[in-house]
Amino acid sequence: SQTIHQWPATLVQPVGSPLSLECTVEGTSNPNLYWYRQAAGRGLQLLFYSVGIGQISSEVPQNLSASRPQDRQFILSSKKLLLSDSGFYLCAWETGGKLFFGSGTQLSVL
Amino acid sequence: SQKIEQNSEALNIQEGKTATLTCNYTNYSPAYLQWYRQDPGRGPVFLLLIRENEKEKRKERLKVTFDTTLKQSLFHITASQPADSATYLCALESGANNLFFGTGTRLTVIP
Repeated sequence: SQTIHQWPATLVQPVGSPLSLECTVEGTSNPNLYWYRQAAGRGLQLLFYSVGIGQISSEVPQNLSASRPQDRQFILSSKKLLLSDSGFYLCAWETGGKLFFGSGTQLSVL
Repeated sequence: SQKIEQNSEALNIQEGKTATLTCNYTNYSPAYLQWYRQDPGRGPVFLLLIRENEKEKRKERLKVTFDTTLKQSLFHITASQPADSATYLCALESGANNLFFGTGTRLTVIP
């Protein structure tokens, strides 16, 4: 069966530091992959999605970027974190329109 | 742009009763709508998907209705249990490769 791995679970970073969050999927090939952010009291906001290696679509302009170096690997990055980047980051893969999420990374930028 | 409203931020009900959560949307006609459950500090878990041509869908103690005229979905949990306590998210299909999520309703089932 398919599984999705996301790490780390929590992260505390200073303003201006770089970020790299990794997500990998097992048990499926060529999945559609997504990065969402959930801020306190707000809905999930789609940040990026990818339909294949090297193919990234961005939903909102921001301080973040994404890459898909391998079929089942999706990476969220930033060169310099802002306070407003704090939040709960979720990776997901999609099948039949349904999303299956990882366990999330709670990022606190101080 | 599309907007989703989930009836209340929090809902408390007594164990054994039926919980009813509401999701209203505007400015869009989604091909389908979904409900997810989210526990604190965890990713959402898919529960049910209902298409625009379906009026009702059931899964064990869960029932979802979809009224495209009213632009509303109702999510019911019958015979609720304390283990059903969680935040429930409504999400609607919003064009290719995108699901638009509501902010959720936090359900507490009181023993």
